[in-house]
Amino acid sequence: GQQLNQSPQSMFIQEGEDVSMNCTSSSIFNTWLWYKQDPGEGPVLLIALYKAGELTSNGRLTAQFGITRKDSFLNISASIPSDVGIYFCAGMKYNNNDMRFGAGTRLTVKP
Amino acid sequence: DTEVTQTPKHLVMGMTNKKSLKCEQHMGHRAMYWYKQKAKKPPELMFVYSYEKLSINESVPSRFSPECPNSSLLNLHLHALQPEDSALYLCASSQVGVFGSTDTQYFGPGTRLTVL
Repeated sequence: GQQLNQSPQSMFIQEGEDVSMNCTSSSIFNTWLWYKQDPGEGPVLLIALYKAGELTSNGRLTAQFGITRKDSFLNISASIPSDVGIYFCAGMKYNNNDMRFGAGTRLTVKP
Repeated sequence: DTEVTQTPKHLVMGMTNKKSLKCEQHMGHRAMYWYKQKAKKPPELMFVYSYEKLSINESVPSRFSPECPNSSLLNLHLHALQPEDSALYLCASSQVGVFGSTDTQYFGPGTRLTVL
């Protein structure tokens, strides 16, 4: 079953604002991934994190792999309307093909 | 190129029909996955193939039958489905690394399945 707790569940923000969302787990993951999904489409990879403490940026997106390997956060700076969608965190364990998803954060950006 | 393709994009089938979903990738990935996603929920893992062998089956009903004919193709055969099986079916692929650990998963666009 699902092992990741993702928050917040939804966010309504104004264009230009910064956004922060996070995932926590009771167990250790060796890889953290952040995906964005638009309605009726497959998840698109935003950022992949492979080392505890790692901080990675992709344009206006920044994500960190927690030191304890049980959490990760994603920040979006200066949000724009096309940031609208559902953001999922996902964790993968070493020596295992299994990947678990958080419940998702639904982001709405008001122009 | 990080593309995973899926066909068909939409499928409507009756409960007595037999149909198949197809997935293809040409990234040289040796792990391929099927996920089921209901509306407003995260994807749920169904099956994992590693080096063309089934490595994970998440207690999926036998009316779903996966097949991996070669390293680039993954099929999901459907038979006698129920209306509650209506969902977005996603395929994904990834590298298989040292000691069997896997790399980042890349998803296809999905097949929207409706069972009448």
